Amino acid sequence: QEQLVESGGGVVQPGRSLRLSCSASGFIFSNYGMHWVRQAPGEGLEWVAVISTDGTVTYYGDSVKGRFTISRDNSENTLYLQMNNLRTEDSALYYCAKPYTADPISFLIEYWGPGTLVTVSS
Amino acid sequence: ENVLTQSPGTLSLSPGERATLSCRASESVGRNFLAWYQQRSGQSPKLLIYRASSRATGIPDRFSGSGSGTDFTLTITRLEPEDFAVYYCQQYAYSPLTFGGGTKVEIK
Repeated sequence: QEQLVESGGGVVQPGRSLRLSCSASGFIFSNYGMHWVRQAPGEGLEWVAVISTDGTVTYYGDSVKGRFTISRDNSENTLYLQMNNLRTEDSALYYCAKPYTADPISFLIEYWGPGTLVTVSS
Repeated sequence: ENVLTQSPGTLSLSPGERATLSCRASESVGRNFLAWYQQRSGQSPKLLIYRASSRATGIPDRFSGSGSGTDFTLTITRLEPEDFAVYYCQQYAYSPLTFGGGTKVEIK
């Protein structure tokens, strides 16, 4: 059974950095492009980034472009999100998400982890 | 980016009633790559519908999607207690992927 478990969230001051991890199991991780999506408390969903199966192609949402970097380690079945120069508006529950199909990069998200909470506050 | 507007913001209905949710895009959604997700309170989103009208694996047939171009609809024919939740539409035709603001279906 597929499983995604995010970690690395916490409280951080504005301007600082944080790295999130997502451990995948129950499916062939290297066959799927992977996503990060976030949700501020009480708010809607905001797509953050996607990475291709081999890590060479990435796309980002406009609000995080230039500050966040998505990466992956297929040998460890792990997805990462490096977040730099954090702002208060980056406070959210960050979900790791798996697409519906096993393509080099796929935009249809099917399965979501439980999320890890990031709070940016002084 | 393709902005998605969902209406109404909140729908107050009773179990057994029919729910009709709307999603309007600012630009035509290519290849009708429009998905619907359900998010129950305290849970992660769940894929219901993709490509505007195809049900995801294991989704009951009381959920149906329709529409094309810029106007899409999610219909729940007979609301079950577990269907009271927030529903989001999303376009996945191109980056950046965008979500609608959500429709909350609450018990009347």
